[in-house]
Amino acid sequence: QSILTQPPSVSGAPGQRVTISCTGSSSNIGADFDVHWYQHLPGSAPRLLIYGNIFRPSGVSERFSGSRSGASASLAITGLQSGDEADYYCHSYDNLLTAPVFGGGTRLTVL
Amino acid sequence: DVQLVESGGGLVQPGGSLRLSCAASGFHFQNARMNWVRQAPGKGLEWVGRIKAETDGATTDYAAPVRGRFLITRDDSKQTVYLQMNSLKTEDTATYFCVKNEFWPNYPEYFDYWGQGAPVTVSS
Repeated sequence: QSILTQPPSVSGAPGQRVTISCTGSSSNIGADFDVHWYQHLPGSAPRLLIYGNIFRPSGVSERFSGSRSGASASLAITGLQSGDEADYYCHSYDNLLTAPVFGGGTRLTVL
Repeated sequence: DVQLVESGGGLVQPGGSLRLSCAASGFHFQNARMNWVRQAPGKGLEWVGRIKAETDGATTDYAAPVRGRFLITRDDSKQTVYLQMNSLKTEDTATYFCVKNEFWPNYPEYFDYWGQGAPVTVSS
């Protein structure tokens, strides 16, 4: 059971918009710790998508955007492409565990 | 280009030891904070631990499941970070990723570069 809760899977047709939620609590996201997001294609290195809740590293498409409100955060992906099929993880900090924590991951399927 | 290349993974019996290495290039390694993150088969990502720069005392922090059994060290002359894993358990079976973190004014600092991972299997 992960400290941060993500839906196990989401899906959408090419060109559509999907969102992936990351729900925490008062000891992590709700305590004003930032949220970062990663994309992971199995067998390859995970890739940073969003840092500091809303910022995109250079080279990451504008189709990816992040937000945070209260004890939750979201990753939105617009204009879905087949190449977006991957696992997505949120990442924050928990002050009870005094450690970085990840969500359980969400598998995105492009129909 | 930043590169992180892990090595040393393999099969080890429960109770045994294994040392992973991560060779880094393409950035100022001496100033970098380096992490290990693992992924058990069919599971999500789990932070294992971190080592700060020598200028920060090369301080280490570990996740509770590995504290007291795992040790992270670094050799800046070789631009390499190590993960010494002792008293291994079957639940330590995972792919271990070497990860560089970038400084960030709020917790947690984010992970900007990851290696491809080294598989570790703990089994009799």
